[in-house]
Amino acid sequence: NAGVTQTPKFRVLKTGQSMTLLCAQDMNHEYMYWYRQDPGMGLRLIHYSVGEGTTAKGEVPDGYNVSRLKKQNFLLGLESAAPSQTSVYFCASSYSVGAYSNQPQHFGDGTRLSIL
Amino acid sequence: ELKVEQNPLFLSMQEGKNYTIYCNYSTTSDRLYWYRQDPGKSLESLFVLLSNGAVKQEGRLMASLDTKARLSTLHITAAVHDLSATYFCAVDESGGSNYKLTFGKGTLLTVNP
Repeated sequence: NAGVTQTPKFRVLKTGQSMTLLCAQDMNHEYMYWYRQDPGMGLRLIHYSVGEGTTAKGEVPDGYNVSRLKKQNFLLGLESAAPSQTSVYFCASSYSVGAYSNQPQHFGDGTRLSIL
Repeated sequence: ELKVEQNPLFLSMQEGKNYTIYCNYSTTSDRLYWYRQDPGKSLESLFVLLSNGAVKQEGRLMASLDTKARLSTLHITAAVHDLSATYFCAVDESGGSNYKLTFGKGTLLTVNP
């Protein structure tokens, strides 16, 4: 099982450049999420999606955009990269959330992004 | 705003010893998750705790949830080197289709021979 696949795994950008991170899941999950992980900060939610065609802001959405055109894919875009966006980005997916959920999120392997 | 505090943040222990990692949170949620992360790797789900008094065990790890005390514990029994990793708790406040999962900052566990 592939699970959650993130591409690329590593990337170096210059300030002001743009790029898109791709997340694909093959588990037919409705919910997908983008997090960033910084040293000593745990994981912080950037954006999430509760289904195809939907997106919502998380804790730290500024400077990022997302799209969920297909159920299996969730794209994270950086329009004008800044050094503060240097981080490890994780995508995750889950079948459901809240009171009716007994399943954890499944995480991808991460994308290590450096902005110079 | 929900606060999730783990302690300790760093834990160095000897093989064969027991220890407990604590996860305190500031909401009334009864859903909490524990994850493990190896250096440079993804997060792996360890336990899903869905009610007050829930206890789950897997190998040398046991997790429990006390919603009245707003506390979850991850107990390590007779630690081995392979348990060295960062452990995260995450509290779920999601309701309806609104998602809200807040992670603690993680506990870096090092088990020494």
